[in-house]
Amino acid sequence: NAGVTQTPKFRVLKTGQSMTLLCAQDMNHEYMYWYRQDPGMGLRLIHYSVGEGTTAKGEVPDGYNVSRLKKQNFLLGLESAAPSQTSVYFCASTTQSYEQYFGPGTRLTVT
Amino acid sequence: AQSVAQPEDQVNVAEGNPLTVKCTYSVSGNPYLFWYVQYPNRGLQFLLKYITGDNLVKGSYGFEAEFNKSQTSFHLKKPSALVSDSALYFCAVRDWTGGRSIPTFGRGTSLIVHP
Repeated sequence: NAGVTQTPKFRVLKTGQSMTLLCAQDMNHEYMYWYRQDPGMGLRLIHYSVGEGTTAKGEVPDGYNVSRLKKQNFLLGLESAAPSQTSVYFCASTTQSYEQYFGPGTRLTVT
Repeated sequence: AQSVAQPEDQVNVAEGNPLTVKCTYSVSGNPYLFWYVQYPNRGLQFLLKYITGDNLVKGSYGFEAEFNKSQTSFHLKKPSALVSDSALYFCAVRDWTGGRSIPTFGRGTSLIVHP
C-alpha cells in the first residue's frame, strides 16, 4: 500500500497562473480532504469529499476548486494563483474507524 | 459549532521527564477525539483516539491520553520523554453535521525535548 500520495511535492507559481494538485489513495476510503497549513494557523480545511462525484466546501474554500471523478483521486485546483495561497497543502483520507491518513504535502510558493 | 483549543504553542521538557500536551474541546454531542504528530517536512501521523469506553487511551510510541468529560479535555501524556518525541502535535475533534463527519484541528503544540 502506498497510502496517500500527492503530486507534485514542490511548485513555484507566478501570480495569476493556474495549477492542479493531485491526491491519490489506494485504501478504498470514502472521505477525502484538502487542507492548508500555515505557521501559527494549524490545519484549515479547504474542501472535502464524502464519496466519488461529491464535494463540499470547508473553512477556506475561496480561490480553490476540487473534483472527485474517481474514488481514489481528489484534485485541488487553483484557477488564478495569488500570493496569499502560498502554503503547504495536505491531502488526507479517513478510515472507517475515523482515523485520518495524510499525504506528504505539497509546498506551493506564489510570487 | 465545534472547536479545539491547544493553549500552549510550545512545551519544553527534559528527556526522561513526563510530558503533557494540553487540549480542550467543544462539541454539541459526543466527541470523537484524536491526537496526531507531525515531524518536520512530513504529513501528520495518527497517534491515538477516543471514541467511547475507557477514559485512558493508549497509542503509538508510548503516548496515552485521558478523556475528561467534565473538563472537556483530552490531554496527551507520556511518562518519560525522548528527544525523538520532539515534533508538532495536533489535537482534533470530529463533529457530525448533517450526517457528515467534519474534523476540526487545533493550532498545534510544538514539543521540544531537551537532552
